[in-house]
Amino acid sequence: GENVEQHPSTLSVQEGDSAVIKCTYSDSASNYFPWYKQELGKRPQLIIDIRSNVGEKKDQRIAVTLNKTAKHFSLHITETQPEDSAVYFCAAMLNRDDKIIFGKGTRLHILP
Amino acid sequence: DGGITQSPKYLFRKEGQNVTLSCEQNLNHDAMYWYRQDPGQGLRLIYYSQIVNDFQKGDIAEGYSVSREKKESFPLTVTSAQKNPTAFYLCASSVTSGGFYNEQFFGPGTRLTVL
Repeated sequence: GENVEQHPSTLSVQEGDSAVIKCTYSDSASNYFPWYKQELGKRPQLIIDIRSNVGEKKDQRIAVTLNKTAKHFSLHITETQPEDSAVYFCAAMLNRDDKIIFGKGTRLHILP
Repeated sequence: DGGITQSPKYLFRKEGQNVTLSCEQNLNHDAMYWYRQDPGQGLRLIYYSQIVNDFQKGDIAEGYSVSREKKESFPLTVTSAQKNPTAFYLCASSVTSGGFYNEQFFGPGTRLTVL
């Protein structure tokens, strides 16, 4: 089955700097890669996603890149702000079974 | 966020008791999911259902059971066979892969504590 590895588990960056979180997946048939943000005490919410027919997608300060050959994808947050502090989860999905496999999460701290 | 609800928010159970966690959605989604969240473990899939009256085991189904008698409802029972049930449980729903958009919408979660 699919396995998703996420690094780092904790990341601290200075406010205004960029943050990068990386994930790898094992099943080359995976074709949908969402990223979820979970603030303290709240439910996870989708922030950006990418499909396997696209190499990069951007939405304001966040972007996701996908390398299908290497089976890895990354989340990039630029000009970080205090409200970016949260746990971020990457995930991979095979459309044939609607099952999403999540990484273990990255706790992002934005330092003042 | 109001499209998928879970109850109760907090639940306390004595060892040896079965408990049922409720999950309801009014988003007309076919697929529903149960995850367990432990610190440092991310979201681990317990069970999921793509259609009424059908469900599949996830990665950590042992000690849990589910039913899907209605499209809107996907209750999870934590049985006494689950050795370490204290955790935060999240329910989610999504359109099926027949749709282009596969975002999962999460409920607010239930925190289960075994006393």
